[in-house]
Amino acid sequence: GAVVSQHPSWVICKSGTSVKIECRSLDFQATTMFWYRQFPKQSLMLMATSNEGSKATYEQGVEKDKFLINHASLTLSTLTVTSAHPEDSSFYICSATRIYEQYFGPGTRLTVT
Amino acid sequence: QKEVEQNSGPLSVPEGAIASLNCTYSDRVSQSFFWYRQYSGKSPELIMSIYSNGDKEDGRFTAQLNKASQYVSLLIRDSQPSDSATYLCAVSLSGSARQLTFGSGTQLTVLP
Repeated sequence: GAVVSQHPSWVICKSGTSVKIECRSLDFQATTMFWYRQFPKQSLMLMATSNEGSKATYEQGVEKDKFLINHASLTLSTLTVTSAHPEDSSFYICSATRIYEQYFGPGTRLTVT
Repeated sequence: QKEVEQNSGPLSVPEGAIASLNCTYSDRVSQSFFWYRQYSGKSPELIMSIYSNGDKEDGRFTAQLNKASQYVSLLIRDSQPSDSATYLCAVSLSGSARQLTFGSGTQLTVLP
C-alpha cells in the first residue's frame, strides 16, 4: 500500500513551452500532496502544498504563476511549469500523506533546452 | 541555524558493520520524525518513522529519539553494500507528516 505515481518520469522540452506533471496516489486518498524540487547534490526543496479543492500554498520564493498546481481530486495533483527555461531543469518529486506518513512518487526529471 | 541538521558525510563503513546516522532539530515542539533513504537519481523512500522517546526497531534498522536533547538517530546493523545511499532526516511539527522539514542528508557508503 501507499503507492504514489508520477507521469512522465522524464521530459525534455524547449525553452518557452509548458510542461504538465501528474502525481497520483494509487491506493489511498490524499487530501494533501506536496511538490518538491531537487537540484543535483542538493536536498529536497519544498515548492508548494497542494490541497484538494482549494488553492495551493506556495513556499517563499516560488512563483505561483510559473508553477501552476491543481488538486482536482483526492488522488490527483498536477504541476504545470509554464514558459519553462533552462534554469527550471531539475528533478521534480511529489508526495502524498497517508495517515501519519508521507510517501514520495518516483520523480520527474525535467530538462529544458 | 538550520532547522534540521545532519552530518553530510560521506560516511563509510565496512560490510557487516553498524552504520550510525545522526540528526538534530531546533524546534522543541516537533512531534514526528522520519528517516528516508534516497538512492542516486531516485526519489526518497520512507524507511522509519518514530514519534515517542526511545528506540524503534524494524529489521536491521533502529531509530532512536531523544526529545529532551532534540536528537534522532538511525542505526543500520549488518550493513550491506545495497544500503549505500543518502539518508534524509525529516521532522514535522504536527502529529502527522503534513509538512516535513528535511536535513541535507548523510551519504553512506558500505564497502564490500
